Amino acid sequence: GAGVSQSPSNKVTEKGKDVELRCDPISGHTALYWYRQSLGQGLEFLIYFQGNSAPDKSGLPSDRFSAERTGGSVSTLTIQRTQQEDSAVYLCASSLESGGEAFFGQGTRLTVV
Amino acid sequence: AQSVAQPEDQVNVAEGNPLTVKCTYSVSGNPYLFWYVQYPNRGLQFLLKYITGDNLVKGSYGFEAEFNKSQTSFHLKKPSALVSDSALYFCAVRPYGGATNKLIFGTGTLLAVQP
Repeated sequence: GAGVSQSPSNKVTEKGKDVELRCDPISGHTALYWYRQSLGQGLEFLIYFQGNSAPDKSGLPSDRFSAERTGGSVSTLTIQRTQQEDSAVYLCASSLESGGEAFFGQGTRLTVV
Repeated sequence: AQSVAQPEDQVNVAEGNPLTVKCTYSVSGNPYLFWYVQYPNRGLQFLLKYITGDNLVKGSYGFEAEFNKSQTSFHLKKPSALVSDSALYFCAVRPYGGATNKLIFGTGTLLAVQP
């Protein structure tokens, strides 16, 4: 596609449920990033993929969070047993190469009730 | 630790006046530096980047930024502000040749341009 696509755009879930957030990067982009942005806050790094491997997953806040990337393309961020503090906008970005600028999707707004 | 600092939470400027949004960084090795803008309820848009070469880089919407290695700064500037420039601006750094290629973001600066 022309840009980074994220789905769903909005997700409301009950506390304790699992959620999956999807990211379709720009075709051919080898690097993929997940960030989290809470209301009025900056961007919190979660995980970075180079191809299908994740050389840096240092930002995942707990073992309830996991992510995978398949075929060097689509990535899924999974949050298990969601908590209210997980409520945020989850942003995905991709870049053509590891040193290039990253292009962001519109984000998934997650609300845990 | 590698980090980016944006010392001002908010910058206010009158339309037509020059604007500066400050950014300093701390990384090991040479940095790749970026500026992004976020309009309300929208994703982040890339503005400009510094990789190497001329310290003054020009980007979208008339913005430019100056890389200063001795002061470890990468301030965003525009000669004449527009009301439509009002948005949240993020500085980001990626260390070159490090163990990770993640982008490290500052906390953001809200730019408010008054008519």
